Amino acid sequence: EIVLTQSPATLSLSPGETATLSCRASQSVDIYLAWYQQKPGQAPRLLIYDASNRAPGIPARFSGSGSGTDFTLTISSLEPEDFAVYYCQQRRNWPPVTFGQGTRLEIK
Amino acid sequence: QVQLQESGPGLVKPSETLSLTCTVSGASISSYYWSWIRQPPGKGLEWIGYIYYSVSTNYNPSLKSRVTISADTSKSQFSLKLSSVTAADTAVYYCARPHRMGEFAFDIWGQGTMVSVSS
Repeated sequence: EIVLTQSPATLSLSPGETATLSCRASQSVDIYLAWYQQKPGQAPRLLIYDASNRAPGIPARFSGSGSGTDFTLTISSLEPEDFAVYYCQQRRNWPPVTFGQGTRLEIK
Repeated sequence: QVQLQESGPGLVKPSETLSLTCTVSGASISSYYWSWIRQPPGKGLEWIGYIYYSVSTNYNPSLKSRVTISADTSKSQFSLKLSSVTAADTAVYYCARPHRMGEFAFDIWGQGTMVSVSS
């Protein structure tokens, strides 16, 4: 099973700043990594698939990069609605599909 | 527009079987890895398994001995059964569909249903 480790666990930033979230895989997942946003009481929302492709309707301030074992989700010019928990997820080796433990992005 | 809706009991007794159904509207339940995913309170996401073309299934090895996913195409539903539940199975259970056939980035989710395991 591929383990995904996200860092930091919590990130405190102000609106307008840039958030950089990291996801590291225990072995290569090529580009087969997705990012999700989850707000309290809601289902996760797909942001990025295949490391760098934005899902339909996702604002351009969300961008993904990386390949192999190291990935980054960057959120530029944070909006108030961006403060949430973010998960990465791999589909390179399954079963099982696995998720990271999440990064909480909170307002500073 | 594809929509998913989970349904089932919100409370299950320890050692019993948890049973949930996902009703799909706006799409046929084939061609995609229709999946179940769960999230314990305050914790992260865990993929449980999928059904594909209504008959092919694949499960998380950590749950495989207790999980069955099935489908009823006539009702546009797929279902989850998890046997011998314990408190560790308390979670919000989601059904989800990937954004493309043959892969696992999930862009369509149900609202989730909370299942508590308690006597």
